[in-house]
Amino acid sequence: DVKVTQSSRYLVKRTGEKVFLECVQDMDHENMFWYRQDPGLGLRLIYFSYDVKMKEKGDIPEGYSVSREKKERFSLILESASTNQTSMYLCASRGTAKGYTFGSGTRLTVV
Amino acid sequence: GESVGLHLPTLSVQEGDNSIINCAYSNSASDYFIWYKQESGKGPQFIIDIRSNMDKRQGQRVTVLLNKTVKHLSLQIAATQPGDSAVYFCAENPGGGTSYGKLTFGQGTILTVHP
Repeated sequence: DVKVTQSSRYLVKRTGEKVFLECVQDMDHENMFWYRQDPGLGLRLIYFSYDVKMKEKGDIPEGYSVSREKKERFSLILESASTNQTSMYLCASRGTAKGYTFGSGTRLTVV
Repeated sequence: GESVGLHLPTLSVQEGDNSIINCAYSNSASDYFIWYKQESGKGPQFIIDIRSNMDKRQGQRVTVLLNKTVKHLSLQIAATQPGDSAVYFCAENPGGGTSYGKLTFGQGTILTVHP
């Protein structure tokens, strides 16, 4: 089975800090995605990548950037964390035939 | 009534009952659909999928029905158990060659199973 691993389950960061959320998948998938999930708002796409060094903005990219230097790793960066970025962050990868495989999520709290 | 986006639909059932969770999708060109289950504090997990050339697919205790005429998808869970309590949401693959694999997700339904 495909495994998507997010480096942290819980993070607490201070306002203004630079935050890195890491995601690694082990099945050579081309496409990787970062979502945030907030109560009542569902899954909102932040950024996605369809190949190494390729990235596209999703629906809510403001305040975020991403990096994909290797196929298996897709990083989400909060350049200067703010309290409104407190959320559950979900990474997903996708091959050609099936839907997403999600990681376990990172619950980020910005104080 | 409830404001869209602030409250998820909820379904409460007794253990052993059958559950039906519904989803209306938006894109008539969508060619592939998935149901996910998300337990509290965890990432979503794949349950079952169906392609647009089918109208029914069965798994273990779960069945997905697709009605393309009215753009409706449903998930049926047989003999619901307390461990089935979770948020369930549907996803559609928009089809075509420019989506880069992006799925479109529904808002989700909260299923609560009472012992």
